[in-house]
Amino acid sequence: GQQVMQIPQYQHVQEGEDFTTYCNSSTTLSNIQWYKQRPGGHPVFLIQLVKSGEVKKQKRLTFQFGEAKKNSSLHITATQTTDVGTYFCAGSTGTASKLTFGTGTRLQVTL
Amino acid sequence: DTEVTQTPKHLVMGMTNKKSLKCEQHMGHRAMYWYKQKAKKPPELMFVYSYEKLSINESVPSRFSPECPNSSLLNLHLHALQPEDSALYLCASSRRGAGGIGETQYFGPGTRLLVL
Repeated sequence: GQQVMQIPQYQHVQEGEDFTTYCNSSTTLSNIQWYKQRPGGHPVFLIQLVKSGEVKKQKRLTFQFGEAKKNSSLHITATQTTDVGTYFCAGSTGTASKLTFGTGTRLQVTL
Repeated sequence: DTEVTQTPKHLVMGMTNKKSLKCEQHMGHRAMYWYKQKAKKPPELMFVYSYEKLSINESVPSRFSPECPNSSLLNLHLHALQPEDSALYLCASSRRGAGGIGETQYFGPGTRLLVL
């Protein structure tokens, strides 16, 4: 079945440093979504990418979808303590309603 | 209103008990989902309802029984669970849930289930 891996599993940064998480799928995706889950919370939608090579920005967050539509990345510039949480990519293939979540990257930010 | 509500927030049950988890949304969404999430793991899809019909069952054991009484409500009936079923159970909804490009899923806060 479809597998979606993320690296790193965990990253600890000082506030103000940059952070990147990478997402790799075993199959070509029709789209990829990113979710953030705060400790003790539930996943919250961040963004969706659909086109090959697409880049989208949300303030300090930059999302990229690979040319082959099998990988994606999320980059956070100048992290803040409010960025703490686990970031999941989630992809879908033919059946649009079925999302397969990546393994997640847990981000810890300290002052 | 972009809220999905779930009750109860916490549930402790024995292996012989029968209980139900409830989920509600008033966004007019026609697709609703149940996910199971173990600690430090990603959510795993269990069931998808699209237009009140079960469209995806990810080979979930029969001790979990979903029900969609109407377009706003989703239940998960639990019976004879095992301790390994202890997890966070998340409900989500999306606008259409059938065909087209993937849709944003709105998650509820979850029910933390402990099976003793």
